[in-house]
Amino acid sequence: RKEVEQDPGPFNVPEGATVAFNCTYSNSASQSFFWYRQDCRKEPKLLMSVYSSGNEDGRFTAQLNRASQYISLLIRDSKLSDSATYLCVVNIVLTGGGNKLTFGTGTQLKVEL
Amino acid sequence: DGGITQSPKYLFRKEGQNVTLSCEQNLNHDAMYWYRQDPGQGLRLIYYSQIVNDFQKGDIAEGYSVSREKKESFPLTVTSAQKNPTAFYLCASSRGARETQYFGPGTRLLVL
Repeated sequence: RKEVEQDPGPFNVPEGATVAFNCTYSNSASQSFFWYRQDCRKEPKLLMSVYSSGNEDGRFTAQLNRASQYISLLIRDSKLSDSATYLCVVNIVLTGGGNKLTFGTGTQLKVEL
Repeated sequence: DGGITQSPKYLFRKEGQNVTLSCEQNLNHDAMYWYRQDPGQGLRLIYYSQIVNDFQKGDIAEGYSVSREKKESFPLTVTSAQKNPTAFYLCASSRGARETQYFGPGTRLLVL
C-alpha cells in the first residue's frame, strides 16, 4: 500500500463547478498535512495546511479525519486558473529529529469553459 | 527578493559523468532537502540537511551525494552510479525540521 494515495484523475470540470479531492495516508504517526499545487513543469507550491478542525481559505476548504486517515480538499466556484495538479502531502517527524514529507502522486484538475 | 534558486534549469549528462546541481536559498532556513520527481510518481526524498555540516540519507540516496558547508547552499551531485538519473530534481528548504517546506524552480536532468 502506498503511504499516500490519491485518485490521479484527471478531473475535468466546467468553470464554476465545485470539485472535491480525497487522499488517504497509511502512517498513523503522521503529524501534519498539506495540500500543494503543482503547475505543469513547475515546482510544487503550498496551497494550504490542513488542520484537525478543518480550515478554509477563500474558495478552498481542507478537512482532516485522523481516525480514518483521510484528507480532503474542496474547491468551490472553480476558475480556469485552478487547473493544475494537487498534491496531498503528509509530514512525519523522524526519530532523528528531522521531518519527512511524503507526497501523493497528485490529482490533476482541468477546469474548462 | 527572498527565495530558493536552482541552476541550471536544464542539464544534460553523458554516460559515466558526474554532474552537480546547485541549490541556494537566502531565506535563512536551517533545513534543506533534495527530491526527485518522475512522471506518474510522487516526489521522493534523496537527502536532507537540518543544519550546516550535517545531512542524512532519504529514501533513494544511492548514486547521489551532497554537502552542506554553508547554510545557504546544498548542492547535489548525481554520480555515475545513479543508473537512471533522468528526472526533475527539486530542492526545498524550511525554517526548521517541522516547518513548511518551500521549493525552488527545479532542474531537469537528461542523460545523453
